[in-house]
Amino acid sequence: EVQLVESGGDLVQPGGSLRLSCAASGFTLSTYDMNWVRQGPGKGLEWVSYISIRSTTIYYADSVKGRFTISRDNAKNSLYLQMDSLRAEDTAVYYCAREHLTANAFDIWGQGTLVTVSS
Amino acid sequence: SYVLTQPPSVSVAPGQTTRLTCGGNNIENRGVHWYQQKPGQAPVLVVYNEGDRPSGIPERFSGSNSGNTATLIISRVEAGDEADYYCQVWDTSTQLVVFGGGTKLTVL
Repeated sequence: EVQLVESGGDLVQPGGSLRLSCAASGFTLSTYDMNWVRQGPGKGLEWVSYISIRSTTIYYADSVKGRFTISRDNAKNSLYLQMDSLRAEDTAVYYCAREHLTANAFDIWGQGTLVTVSS
Repeated sequence: SYVLTQPPSVSVAPGQTTRLTCGGNNIENRGVHWYQQKPGQAPVLVVYNEGDRPSGIPERFSGSNSGNTATLIISRVEAGDEADYYCQVWDTSTQLVVFGGGTKLTVL
């Protein structure tokens, strides 16, 4: 079964750091570009970051640029999101999402991991 | 930055056809993708590039894109179609992914 499983969400204080992981199974991660998308409580979807197959191209939303770092380890079939200088507005469910091979669409999503930034 | 505008809510009776809109400047020149999200669940891709469907998505879901409006068309609406629906594009000018604000579809 093709699957993405996120982990690492937690309660963290403002200014703190957290590292999210996304484990892929049922397919070869190294074949796909990957993304992180988040959803604040009661809010819509917000794209966070993109990484190409070989990590040569990386993009970030303006809201997280300079604070978040996306990375991947194809040998481990895993995607990561290092989040530093966390703010209350970063509170959200974070999803990893696989990019479709022929469209800039997200065809497989994980179940999400909750990050809460609060003192 | 590129903005996608969706109506907050739409209601439809079972068995009818509903059209969910997504407005954007010259959106017809962009690939538009649509997601369905039910409460407590991750989003699911239902239509990509206006009218293509991933495997497992019923033919009742289709799309169109013209001028400044892209549309997700759901035919023969069922109770199980009740969900939030989001449109999405890739903004090549800024290299950013953009989501619409979402439409809550209520099946009466």
